[in-house]
Amino acid sequence: GENVEQHPSTLSVQEGDSAVIKCTYSDSASNYFPWYKQELGKRPQLIIDIRSNVGEKKDQRIAVTLNKTAKHFSLHITETQPEDSAVYFCAAFYSAGGTSYGKLTFGQGTILTVHP
Amino acid sequence: NAGVTQTPKFQVLKTGQSMTLQCAQDMNHEYMSWYRQDPGMGLRLIHYSVGAGITDQGEVPNGYNVSRSTTEDFPLRLLSAAPSQTSVYFCASSLMGNTEAFFGQGTRLTVV
Repeated sequence: GENVEQHPSTLSVQEGDSAVIKCTYSDSASNYFPWYKQELGKRPQLIIDIRSNVGEKKDQRIAVTLNKTAKHFSLHITETQPEDSAVYFCAAFYSAGGTSYGKLTFGQGTILTVHP
Repeated sequence: NAGVTQTPKFQVLKTGQSMTLQCAQDMNHEYMSWYRQDPGMGLRLIHYSVGAGITDQGEVPNGYNVSRSTTEDFPLRLLSAAPSQTSVYFCASSLMGNTEAFFGQGTRLTVV
């Protein structure tokens, strides 16, 4: 099955700095890569996603890049703010037949702390 | 439109007891799944379903059963609770497996 590794496990930055979280996946058939943000005591919520036919996607201060050859993808947050403090999870969707039916595997999570 | 509703929010069980975690969605989503969240281990897939009557195992299915008799409901059954099943459980639904997943509020389960 798919295996997703996420680094770092904790990340501490100053307000205004950039933050980068990296994930690698094992199965080249994975074709959908979402990122979720989970605030303390809350449910995970999607912040951005990318599909395997796209190399980069941006939404305001958040961007995701995908390198299919190396099987890794990254989340970039620019101009960080204290409200960006949360746990971030990457995930990879694998489907053996390339259909929309398959399994979503999550990374271990990164605790991001943005200091004012 | 309530989204994904998960109950109960908190539960304490004794070892060996059984219980059912309820999950319902009102978005007409085909894909539903159950995850457990443990510190440092992310969200691990227990079981998932791609439609009514169709379920499959995830990474950590042992000790759990599911069924999907309707599109809306996807209950998770703990057959004989063990301390290792102490965790936070999340139900999620999505239109398809490779689209945005909407999570329930979570159930914090403690097995003593």
